[in-house]
Amino acid sequence: QSALTQPASVSGSPGQSITISCTGTSSDVGSYNLVSWYQQHPGKAPKLMIYEVSKRPSGVSNRFSGSKSGNTASLTISGLQAEDEADYYCCSYAGSSTFVFGTGTKVTVL
Amino acid sequence: EVQLVESGGGLVKPGGSLRLSCAASGFTFSNAWMSWVRQAPGKGLEWVGRIKSKTDGGTTDYAAPVKGRFTISRDDSKNTLYLQMNSLKTEDTAVYYCTTEGVVPAAYFDYWGQGTLVTVSS
Repeated sequence: QSALTQPASVSGSPGQSITISCTGTSSDVGSYNLVSWYQQHPGKAPKLMIYEVSKRPSGVSNRFSGSKSGNTASLTISGLQAEDEADYYCCSYAGSSTFVFGTGTKVTVL
Repeated sequence: EVQLVESGGGLVKPGGSLRLSCAASGFTFSNAWMSWVRQAPGKGLEWVGRIKSKTDGGTTDYAAPVKGRFTISRDDSKNTLYLQMNSLKTEDTAVYYCTTEGVVPAAYFDYWGQGTLVTVSS
């Protein structure tokens, strides 16, 4: 199973909005509304930010939002803040009780 | 508060074996579906495998690269998850994270341990 494709890096200035794409196939992203997103700061464990495409866990800022169209899911961070600088990974259910993660995107706050 | 604490990582030679443990607290472990996720140094996340709760069959599923070599098990009396790794390869070198899955049936990982490093090298 191939990893989902994400841009290697995305950057933005404080206060701006950025969007990270996550492209899969009709066997994973395109078939299930089961995409999740994770934030990982250096040396730390990942943190769940979005699940089931667009749902936010309790405690996650509403500046984070998710969507999906066809085989591509997206994570949007609005009102970018310095603390948002981190790596972000998407993940999709891929059928047959398996999961596939994205390649990861480094977000830089300029 | 949910806590997941992995242990058992270390240096092992190619072809060797290692067993990781994950001690869980702060939730009803016996009802939880649990997964292992790994991250090679400087690389992305990779799902390793999952075990369902015993009430949901206790079945296991694995990613293709580890199928037949890795075995996930659980001891609900000890609130502990295990990952038995055999026939280790250099490409298995990674930080291994223990995770809980969300409200069953779920397809996301809501709590993560701090990870334990496994290095496979001669």
